[in-house]
Amino acid sequence: QVQVVQSGAEVKKPGASVKVSCKASGYTFTTYGISWVRQAPGQGLEWMGWISGYNDNTNYAQKFQGRVTMTTDTSRSTAYMEMRSLRSDDTAVYYCARVRLTIYGVVTNFDSWGQGTLVIVSS
Amino acid sequence: DIQMTQSPSSLSASVGDRVTITCQASQDISDYLNWYQQKPGQAPKLLIYDASNLETGVPSRFSGSGSGTDFTLTISSLQPEDVATYYCQQYDNLPLSFGGGTKVEIK
Repeated sequence: QVQVVQSGAEVKKPGASVKVSCKASGYTFTTYGISWVRQAPGQGLEWMGWISGYNDNTNYAQKFQGRVTMTTDTSRSTAYMEMRSLRSDDTAVYYCARVRLTIYGVVTNFDSWGQGTLVIVSS
Repeated sequence: DIQMTQSPSSLSASVGDRVTITCQASQDISDYLNWYQQKPGQAPKLLIYDASNLETGVPSRFSGSGSGTDFTLTISSLQPEDVATYYCQQYDNLPLSFGGGTKVEIK
């Protein structure tokens, strides 16, 4: 069955970087994308961007452009999200999710989610 | 960017009640709308895709409708296990965007 498993919780100091991993199994990694969504404590869902498992094309929400990099390692069916220059308001649970695509490669919905990775940014 | 507005932000209903949640897009998004359920302490789960299609395994008491700018998620008979926050999400345009969520509780 489809599974998406994320790396464990992280505690970082302001200004540091964090890299979260997302290992997929149970499907052909290159026929879907991976999206990243974060949720600050007590808040709603915020879309960060997505990466194609087929050709590594990315699209980032403007808010995260230049500070977030999404990559994949297809040999390991794993996606990564790196965020730099962390601030206290980056404290959140970060989710990766498998992205269903149309035949034209357009993102549609997120049909399998990881368990979430808590990132705490604190001095 | 497309803004998604959900209402109400929270509701309390009795077991067996019919519950309706609405989602309004800031522009026409056709039927490019999904609904997710997030139970406390869990990751979101896809319930409805393309405005009205039930995801595999989701109970038939959940249904979605609408197109253009106005959408509805309905729970025909609320069950205790439906306590959760529900989010709509559009995919008509990047950046993708979610509504603010509707928290459903049992009265």
